[in-house]
Amino acid sequence: GENVEQHPSTLSVQEGDSAVIKCTYSDSASNYFPWYKQELGKRPQLIIDIRSNVGEKKDQRIAVTLNKTAKHFSLHITETQPEDSAVYFCAALSYNTDKLIFGTGTRLQVFP
Amino acid sequence: NAGVTQTPKFQVLKTGQSMTLQCAQDMNHEYMSWYRQDPGMGLRLIHYSVGAGITDQGEVPNGYNVSRSTTEDFPLRLLSAAPSQTSVYFCASRRTLLRDGANVLTFGAGSRLTVL
Repeated sequence: GENVEQHPSTLSVQEGDSAVIKCTYSDSASNYFPWYKQELGKRPQLIIDIRSNVGEKKDQRIAVTLNKTAKHFSLHITETQPEDSAVYFCAALSYNTDKLIFGTGTRLQVFP
Repeated sequence: NAGVTQTPKFQVLKTGQSMTLQCAQDMNHEYMSWYRQDPGMGLRLIHYSVGAGITDQGEVPNGYNVSRSTTEDFPLRLLSAAPSQTSVYFCASRRTLLRDGANVLTFGAGSRLTVL
């Protein structure tokens, strides 16, 4: 079945440094890859997404890259700030099954 | 426009009791889904629906029932609660694949369920 693996499970960085979170997916029919940020006690919120016909997308300090051949996609956060501290989830949507499957999450801590 | 509304926010059950988590959306979204969130396991899909009268199983459907009699509502039923169902439950909705901007999933605020 569909599976999304996410690494690392925890990530600690100094303020101003970059953070990278990586995901792999198993379903070759996946064509949409969103990233969600979840602050403590809150609901997940979409921060960026990418479709399978695009290799990279940027939005200010965050960017996502996709390698369809390797079934890898990554989230890059530059110039991290303490307010970036949260749990980040990647996900993959299969066009065949219409299921959105999430990774297990990465807890990012940005220290001032 | 309230978005996705879940009730209750908190619930404590005893093993074997039944209950229904309610979910309603006012965005005319065809697709609705239920996820459970457990520490270290991310968000796991329980059941989903692509339209009224249509439901399908996700990754962890056992112990849960759903129905979709209207576009707006997608209740999740626990027929005989077990401690393993202690979790935070999120309802989420979006448009179907055929529409522009369809893929963005909107989450409800979550329902925290404890089964003793």
